[in-house]
Amino acid sequence: GAGVSQSPSNKVTEKGKDVELRCDPISGHTALYWYRQSLGQGLEFLIYFQGNSAPDKSGLPSDRFSAERTGGSVSTLTIQRTQQEDSAVYLCASSLAQGVGGYTFGSGTRLTVV
Amino acid sequence: GDSVTQMEGPVTLSEEAFLTINCTYTATGYPSLFWYVQYPGEGLQLLLKATKADDKGSNKGFEATYRKETTSFHLEKGSVQVSDSAVYFCALIAGSGGGADGLTFGKGTHLIIQP
Repeated sequence: GAGVSQSPSNKVTEKGKDVELRCDPISGHTALYWYRQSLGQGLEFLIYFQGNSAPDKSGLPSDRFSAERTGGSVSTLTIQRTQQEDSAVYLCASSLAQGVGGYTFGSGTRLTVV
Repeated sequence: GDSVTQMEGPVTLSEEAFLTINCTYTATGYPSLFWYVQYPGEGLQLLLKATKADDKGSNKGFEATYRKETTSFHLEKGSVQVSDSAVYFCALIAGSGGGADGLTFGKGTHLIIQP
């Protein structure tokens, strides 16, 4: 697509429920990134995919978080048993390859856990 | 590890004032440096970038010069407008091939321009 598309744009969920966030990167972009933006916390790097592979998952906040990417395209970030501290904006970005070109960001998914 | 430090916000200025948002970094090797802007309710947009020492990135009247000697990448604009109100993020990618860690961001500086 023309830009990075994320869905849903807003999600309100009850504590303890599972949620799935979707990112559709720019066509042809091999690198895909997930970030979390919390109020007052800036941007927190979560995970990076090169193709379908995530070399380092240590940025994920806990084992309730998982991410996958299939077909070198769409990625999903899954949060199991959501907690109130998971409330944040989850941003996805893609780029042609890891490195210096700068990334294109989606508009994010605002997650609110009540 | 790599880090980016930005001046704390919010920064409030009058229209047509001169803007400086300070950014300093710590990184191994020779990082590439970026400024991103986030307008209210939107995602991050790349504003400008510089990939080597003494490079100047510029866009929409904003400029930033990669200063290796002071490890800085300060953002400047000569005359700000109300439409410049946004959150500005300084960021870097390590020169050693930092894709595995993605961009390292500063905490962001909220800029408010008053008419």
